[in-house]
Amino acid sequence: EMQLVESGGGLVQPGGSLRLSCRASGFSISADWMSWVRQAPGKGLEWVANIKKDGTEPYYVESVRGRFTISRDNSRNLLFLQMNSLRAEDTAVYHCAREHDFEAAFGYFDPWGRGTEVTVSS
Amino acid sequence: QSALTQPPSVSGAPGQRVTISCTGRGTNIGAGYGVHWYQLLPGTAPKLVLYGNTNRPSGVPERFSGSKSGTSASLAISGLQAEDEGVYSCQSYDSTLSAYVFGAGTTVSVL
Repeated sequence: EMQLVESGGGLVQPGGSLRLSCRASGFSISADWMSWVRQAPGKGLEWVANIKKDGTEPYYVESVRGRFTISRDNSRNLLFLQMNSLRAEDTAVYHCAREHDFEAAFGYFDPWGRGTEVTVSS
Repeated sequence: QSALTQPPSVSGAPGQRVTISCTGRGTNIGAGYGVHWYQLLPGTAPKLVLYGNTNRPSGVPERFSGSKSGTSASLAISGLQAEDEGVYSCQSYDSTLSAYVFGAGTTVSVL
């Protein structure tokens, strides 16, 4: 069974940092782009960042560019999200997800992890 | 404000058909990018229920179907069952934002 499990969330003060991890099992992440998607309380899903199969070409939503860094370790089947200069509006459940192409272009996410909760508050 | 617009809620009696709309614009759905749908339940991983506008992943019941036309798409659930309750979110890609985009989600209630 393909599974993703996130960890590393918690309570952090504004301006602080957290590093999220996502461990994959049942498949190798080396064959796919991987993403982070978040859901703030009472809000819809928001794509945060993704990274190419070989770890090059990271992309970010504008609101986190320059503060968050996505990376991966294919040898250990791990995906990471380093979050710096955290703001209250970054409070959310963060999910990792495997990307699939659709018609050789931007596609969809499957599977997803259950997420890890990040709370930014003083 | 979400890039894709969905109704906040829909409801139906068991066995009925409900439809959820997802309205975008020419830079996302209207640009030809696929529309994909997820079921969100509290404390669980989001589940893919439809991909590429009309395709059901393995294990998703046939009562789930989808369509797309112009800048809109829809998810239909026929023969509504209690286990179908949850929040459903549509997703596509936006070329102006250079980002994947989601709808805010629609709560499906079985009366």
